[in-house]
Amino acid sequence: KAGVTQTPRYLIKTRGQQVTLSCSPISGHRSVSWYQQTPGQGLQFLFEYFSETQRNKGNFPGRFSGRQFSNSRSEMNVSTLELGDSALYLCASRRLAGGPTDTQYFGPGTRLTVL
Amino acid sequence: KQEVTQIPAALSVPEGENLVLNCSFTDSAIYNLQWFRQDPGKGLTSLLLIQSSQREQTSGRLNASLDKSSGRSTLYIAASQPGDSATYLCAVWTGTASKLTFGTGTRLQVTL
Repeated sequence: KAGVTQTPRYLIKTRGQQVTLSCSPISGHRSVSWYQQTPGQGLQFLFEYFSETQRNKGNFPGRFSGRQFSNSRSEMNVSTLELGDSALYLCASRRLAGGPTDTQYFGPGTRLTVL
Repeated sequence: KQEVTQIPAALSVPEGENLVLNCSFTDSAIYNLQWFRQDPGKGLTSLLLIQSSQREQTSGRLNASLDKSSGRSTLYIAASQPGDSATYLCAVWTGTASKLTFGTGTRLQVTL
């Protein structure tokens, strides 16, 4: 069974640009969550999607947005990039939402560098 | 607001030693606690998941315990190996939030 996949693995952008990251969950998993990891702030929750609906959102500005498609694949978009957005962006999937007892499985991440 | 702390921040041990990593959380109303491993520049690998009703979980050389009332968990690694070198993160799923709250991590180095 394939794990969580994320594309691209590495990205270099300049300030002011926008970027779209993609995540494909494990087959049969309907919930996708996104996290940002930086050396200073550690791992922080961005948002979770289930059945194409955002269920929960972390404390990030509106420049961070996401969506989920009918096949459970998810995309995350960051507009007007800032230097502080440089981070490892991790996607995680679990079988279904509403069941916090499910294990979350993480992808390898997308390393975003903003110059 | 849930806060998760891990002690120590870094640890270096010789191969073969048994070791304990600590995790504490401020809000005991958790559904579960999960331990992860992260290799440099990589994603997270789930090691153990302990439900709130459980006291411990074991997988191979790893044993994780949970004391929900005191807000503590420990990850015990037996007979450490150089391949165990990584950052270990604990995370809790708190009742009111549909998300994992992560600790700051313990960077482990096992030397030959």
